[in-house]
Amino acid sequence: SYELTQPLSVSVAPGQTARITCGGNNIGSKNVHWYQQKPGQAPVLVIYRDANRPSGIPERFSGSNSWNTATLTISGAQAGDEADYYCQVWDSTTGVFGGGTKLTVL
Amino acid sequence: EVQLLESGGGLIQPGGSLRLSCTASGFTFSSYAMSWVRQAPGKGLEWVSTIDGSGDSTYYADSVTGRFTISRDNSKNTLYLHMNSLRAEDTAVYYCAKGLGSLGSCFDYWGQGTLVTVSS
Repeated sequence: SYELTQPLSVSVAPGQTARITCGGNNIGSKNVHWYQQKPGQAPVLVIYRDANRPSGIPERFSGSNSWNTATLTISGAQAGDEADYYCQVWDSTTGVFGGGTKLTVL
Repeated sequence: EVQLLESGGGLIQPGGSLRLSCTASGFTFSSYAMSWVRQAPGKGLEWVSTIDGSGDSTYYADSVTGRFTISRDNSKNTLYLHMNSLRAEDTAVYYCAKGLGSLGSCFDYWGQGTLVTVSS
């Protein structure tokens, strides 16, 4: 079965750039989606199809995908960006999530 | 405004059955694939099942195949998850999620979730 690997945690100082990676075999050939989940809340889509932002998502959120790694980049991170972030792909007809990354802004 | 409202969760004994519902509004329900995604306490997200807009095609995670059945009633804008032979490891918050399009798209809207606890 297809697996996605994310770092357990990433820390960033306010105003700096955070990068959260999602590794998978030839993930560059797949569409990668990213979700933000704050404690006690449902996930929210922040990036879809590698690099597209839904309406209402700030421009500081961006994404890229190449070869074996997809990356979610948060430029000028804010305290309100502290959350768990999950990458997701489809492996044929099976949905696959990464294990999640806890982003700390300190 | 898209809204998804789950219901039907609760405490159930191992081996029991439960049916979850998700009532949708704010979009043309029959035009979109719908999915269930669950999250065990303190754990990450796990895809459970997806159904296409017509209800003709369904897909399941290996962990629930043969025990769970996804269905939809487009006349009632409602998605269902029938869960049988429940196990302790099925304990989780179950989220209903709308697909951006057909199977293979992202989940662009999520409900608030309903908690299923499997315990004796």
